Amino acid sequence: NAGVMQNPRHLVRRRGQEARLRCSPMKGHSHVYWYRQLPEEGLKFMVYLQKENIIDESGMPKERFSAEFPKEGPSILRIQQVVRGDSAAYFCASSPTEGYNEQFFGPGTRLTVL
Amino acid sequence: AQSVTQPDIHITVSEGASLELRCNYSYGATPYLFWYVQSPGQGLQLLLKYFSGDTLVQGIKGFEAEFKRSQSSFNLRKPSVHWSDAAEYFCAVGDPANFGNEKLTFGTGTRLTIIP
Repeated sequence: NAGVMQNPRHLVRRRGQEARLRCSPMKGHSHVYWYRQLPEEGLKFMVYLQKENIIDESGMPKERFSAEFPKEGPSILRIQQVVRGDSAAYFCASSPTEGYNEQFFGPGTRLTVL
Repeated sequence: AQSVTQPDIHITVSEGASLELRCNYSYGATPYLFWYVQSPGQGLQLLLKYFSGDTLVQGIKGFEAEFKRSQSSFNLRKPSVHWSDAAEYFCAVGDPANFGNEKLTFGTGTRLTIIP
């Protein structure tokens, strides 16, 4: 049973470009969380999604950031017009159901904005 | 809103020595408590969690943690560390009142270095 998959593992973008980060949850998991880890900081919650629904996006910047988790395919975190401050590691976690089950984390995508 | 404090940014211990990593939380009641470990370039792995019941929790890799309500703490311990324990350790809390949204609030982490 494969774990949570994230790709790409490393992504380099120039200021103003778009970044698309993909997360495939573990098989059978329908809950996805995205977290951002800035250098020398802990993880900060961004958004929580279930299939085709955004449940909580309170941690996501209002502009330039969006997330989706379609019925088929991976969850996508999209950052438009990236700026240097977006450079961070972005982690996706999945869990099988509601309730405080263990969240299984992917290896992360490290975004560097030049 | 809940918050988590890990007062030690970096700890160095000798291989075979005991370890205690501190975690304090701020929350109106008893939160759900977690410890995760992150190896370099990797995602996070759950070491242990506390929801209720026995305040001493056993986890994987020989780790344990003790919940102390009076001190709002959930410190992680290991009696004898191994070189492979070198990693970043994160304490996290969840809000039991938030059923249906199990987002976690993380501390800033403690980096553990092991010396021979």
